[in-house]
Amino acid sequence: QQQVKQSPQSLIVQKGGISIINCAYENTAFDYFPWYQQFPGKGPALLIAIRPDVSEKKEGRFTISFNKSAKQFSLHIMDSQPGDSATYFCAASLSNTGNQFYFGTGTSLTVIP
Amino acid sequence: DAGVTQSPTHLIKTRGQQVTLRCSPKSGHDTVSWYQQALGQGPQFIFQYYEEEERQRGNFPDRFSGHQFPNYSSELNVNALLLGDSALYLCASSLGPMGARGYTFGSGTRLTVV
Repeated sequence: QQQVKQSPQSLIVQKGGISIINCAYENTAFDYFPWYQQFPGKGPALLIAIRPDVSEKKEGRFTISFNKSAKQFSLHIMDSQPGDSATYFCAASLSNTGNQFYFGTGTSLTVIP
Repeated sequence: DAGVTQSPTHLIKTRGQQVTLRCSPKSGHDTVSWYQQALGQGPQFIFQYYEEEERQRGNFPDRFSGHQFPNYSSELNVNALLLGDSALYLCASSLGPMGARGYTFGSGTRLTVV
């Protein structure tokens, strides 16, 4: 059973546009929701993360929106740049039982100049 | 400050063989987790080591085993390799087995089984 579902699988955005990636989770006990960015040949790098006691977190051009009742969260990349072209993964974990991360299947983002 | 270091970066093995992958955690971290990332998929949790013991395990067969050394470095061993074991194997380190403080991934070892 896929604990975290991610969409879309791929996304093409014009430079300067907004990229939106969505995730939904099953387990209401999850209490930490990070987004990772991965470039080819590299490991995932933490981009931004949120805990369920807040509905939104913003860091620079990256914003997480969190809807606890719908069990959904999303990543918004404002003013998308060609350097943002990468694969993005959402994840979820239960921090009080160990830090096993459950990842989505990834979204390949291409930002066209 | 070195991040998470994994070796080797690439490896080709024959079906049925055994392989050992190595991971050195980020300085100051004491917990190591291993993930398998198949092509085009998200990472899947294999197991976590803390205080030289396996603390958590994902849905992987016993062919996958590990070890953590007193210096916190870790090894992942896979026996009786199958073609389906071909993947990027990622190591992540953190401070403590709980929570997600400073959870940091290495660049991985690309294993190809032929």
